[in-house]
Amino acid sequence: GIQVEQSPPDLILQEGANSTLRCNFSDSVNNLQWFHQNPWGQLINLFYIPSGTKQNGRLSATTVATERYSLLYISSSQTTDSGVYFCAARFYNQGGKLIFGQGTELSVKP
Amino acid sequence: DTEVTQTPKHLVMGMTNKKSLKCEQHMGHRAMYWYKQKAKKPPELMFVYSYEKLSINESVPSRFSPECPNSSLLNLHLHALQPEDSALYLCASSQGSNQPQHFGDGTRLSIL
Repeated sequence: GIQVEQSPPDLILQEGANSTLRCNFSDSVNNLQWFHQNPWGQLINLFYIPSGTKQNGRLSATTVATERYSLLYISSSQTTDSGVYFCAARFYNQGGKLIFGQGTELSVKP
Repeated sequence: DTEVTQTPKHLVMGMTNKKSLKCEQHMGHRAMYWYKQKAKKPPELMFVYSYEKLSINESVPSRFSPECPNSSLLNLHLHALQPEDSALYLCASSQGSNQPQHFGDGTRLSIL
């Protein structure tokens, strides 16, 4: 069935380290977004990236639509990067429904 | 994303109360959404409005009643909720159903 799978489920980093989060999706998508949910519950848009590569400061993302995966890179991590990172996809045959992965919980230690 | 405004931020209500959650956006978006998020879980879609008409209802119990009075406002009317309905309720909007969704800060709902 339609699935969005994220890995790893949990990640602990030392401040300054780099990391890569992965999102696999089961079918063709016309919308893929990465979000950061901070400890207060705010869901922040990071990237809208159904294909290609984008960069925003220390964050970048790449989606390879033909191989059905997306990667989120975090460089020089900071304690404020802590929280849960969600990947969400809208599949071609699913109407306006955005389907979320289970998330990667990131903890950055000082 | 602070361009989608949700009120109240917190709500505590009894199982017999009637209350409403409100969501407002002024980005000219034509699609609006309600999501429910339980602790340690991803958001789950409840309703989608497109051009002020309900287009998706994810088999949500009738004790949740959505309303879209105009293209900028989305309400969620609550009645006779159960303790398991305690959650973070998130509103989102997008220019179209295929465009990126922008989320409000949510309403934390507790049912006593």
